[in-house]
Amino acid sequence: GDSVTQMEGPVTLSEEAFLTINCTYTATGYPSLFWYVQYPGEGLQLLLKATKADDKGSNKGFEATYRKETTSFHLEKGSVQVSDSAVYFCALGTQGGSEKLVFGKGTKLTVNP
Amino acid sequence: DAGVIQSPRHEVTEMGQEVTLRCKPISGHNSLFWYRQTMMRGLELLIYFNNNVPIDDSGMPEDRFSAKMPNASFSTLKIQPSEPRDSAVYFCASTLGAAGEQFFGPGTRLTVL
Repeated sequence: GDSVTQMEGPVTLSEEAFLTINCTYTATGYPSLFWYVQYPGEGLQLLLKATKADDKGSNKGFEATYRKETTSFHLEKGSVQVSDSAVYFCALGTQGGSEKLVFGKGTKLTVNP
Repeated sequence: DAGVIQSPRHEVTEMGQEVTLRCKPISGHNSLFWYRQTMMRGLELLIYFNNNVPIDDSGMPEDRFSAKMPNASFSTLKIQPSEPRDSAVYFCASTLGAAGEQFFGPGTRLTVL
């Protein structure tokens, strides 16, 4: 079945450091891929998405490129801020299939000043 | 425009009591999801509805849990009787169409003593 594997956390970085959170997937068909972010005490919210191979999703300085050949959707940011401290979830949804999304286990990021 | 609304935001109850969580999805969305989040198990999909009909309830832990969606603008998740291991944050989310962005509510933090 469909699945998402994220790098295990927690990840701790200093402000202005480069961030990569790895995400790989297994899916039948051609999934859409998402990164969600959960700030402390809040629900998940969409950070970025990509719907087809080679698409790049971007938002708030974060980027992720849909790589079909490596079945990956790694999240990157060139210079993190303290306010980026949160839990990040990779997810996939199958076009034309079920309405539900398959989420990874989440990666907690802490950015220190 | 209002997002997904959940109530109550916090609930503290004693073991054995009935608990009812409520959710109002975004107007026009046709799928609704109930999730549970704990430190140990992460984010788990409990059940989801499409056009008010339960589609997949395989994540519902046991018969103590039940969910209803009597109309397009309201859903409940009921736990009866509640147990301490049910303590978690319960999220409701809604979406329009397959594999689309899910919009999460702020969650209900449930504590069962």
